[in-house]
Amino acid sequence: GQQVMQIPQYQHVQEGEDFTTYCNSSTTLSNIQWYKQRPGGHPVFLIQLVKSGEVKKQKRLTFQFGEAKKNSSLHITATQTTDVGTYFCAGWMIGGYQKVTFGIGTKLQVIP
Amino acid sequence: EAQVTQNPRYLITVTGKKLTVTCSQNMNHEYMSWYRQDPGLGLRQIYYSMNVEVTDKGDVPEGYKVSRKEKRNFPLILESPSPNQTSLYFCASSLGFGNTEAFFGQGTRLTVV
Repeated sequence: GQQVMQIPQYQHVQEGEDFTTYCNSSTTLSNIQWYKQRPGGHPVFLIQLVKSGEVKKQKRLTFQFGEAKKNSSLHITATQTTDVGTYFCAGWMIGGYQKVTFGIGTKLQVIP
Repeated sequence: EAQVTQNPRYLITVTGKKLTVTCSQNMNHEYMSWYRQDPGLGLRQIYYSMNVEVTDKGDVPEGYKVSRKEKRNFPLILESPSPNQTSLYFCASSLGFGNTEAFFGQGTRLTVV
């Protein structure tokens, strides 16, 4: 079945440093979404990428979708303590299937 | 306020005692789904529903049942819970099938002893 690998699983950074998490799918995706889950909270939607090679920005967050629509990344510039949480990618399969596969998540700790 | 409501938030039960976790959304969304979240495994989809009376298995459906008799409700049923179903469960809804954002409930932490 479809697999979405996400790395790293954990990342500790000093406040002000950059952070990147990567997702790779075993199959071509229709689209990919990114979610953030604060400690003790529920996943909250950040963004969706649909087109091959798409790049979207939200303030200090930059999201990319690979040309082959099999990989994606989330980059945070100059992390802040408010960025703490777990970041998940969610890949939707091509071909009319309605199932989604989440990456394992990257837990980000920001050291003040 | 647009929201997905799950109940209960916390539940401790014994092996074999049937239980239901309710999920309700007030956004008129067509797509609803259930996930379990376990350390080191991320979020795994249990069941999903594309509309009323239309449900299908996700990646980890064994030991669970769902129903979708009304658009707003999507309960998760554990007929005979076992300790390996101890987990954090999330219900989610979205307007469409994967091309719109999903709204998650607050989560239900279930412990089966």
